[in-house]
Amino acid sequence: GAVVSQHPSWVICKSGTSVKIECRSLDFQATTMFWYRQFPKQSLMLMATSNEGSKATYEQGVEKDKFLINHASLTLSTLTVTSAHPEDSSFYICSARRPSYNEQFFGPGTRLTVL
Amino acid sequence: AQTVTQSQPEMSVQEAETVTLSCTYDTSESDYYLFWYKQPPSRQMILVIRQEAYKQQNATENRFSVNFQKAAKSFSLKISDSQLGDAAMYFCAYRTVRGGSEKLVFGKGTKLTVNP
Repeated sequence: GAVVSQHPSWVICKSGTSVKIECRSLDFQATTMFWYRQFPKQSLMLMATSNEGSKATYEQGVEKDKFLINHASLTLSTLTVTSAHPEDSSFYICSARRPSYNEQFFGPGTRLTVL
Repeated sequence: AQTVTQSQPEMSVQEAETVTLSCTYDTSESDYYLFWYKQPPSRQMILVIRQEAYKQQNATENRFSVNFQKAAKSFSLKISDSQLGDAAMYFCAYRTVRGGSEKLVFGKGTKLTVNP
């Protein structure tokens, strides 16, 4: 199978602090990883595409300086929410593209609550 | 831009019965992939079934099958012999590739309830 993990699964932080979320492909190398945001009772919206060793590509309307993405290795991508505010509270999901598979494999998600 | 429309916010089905979830999409591309994902209360996204646009034959995975109508840009999901474990949010998704980068565009989802 293709397993993608996320850490932490749930994080609560104070307004103004930064939070880092990790996404790992456990049993395959992922040249491309994706970060999604899902508000309650809504669909997934792509935030950015992360390619190993290069800068992430952000979707229109997503603030690059607020949502920092690093894809330092073929198995790890990180999303850092900088200076988080209550409106950043959401469910963040990553996925990874496994070469030769025509699908993305999703992590279990991270619930971020900003107080 | 590609769009995906799921016109049924909620659906319910009796256990062991059959239910069909609707999905339509808009695109000018000729080659693409379509997916149905299941998101149970755990919120883990699970691939249910996928369809390559160039294949005329409808995809089938056990109790799950699709009715892919390319000309009508329709991609419905049929769940046969519904089980309690099928209760979840179901998202239809279209995969587009732009400049070498792929993107999944999701519909708003259909909440499926399975009644015992």
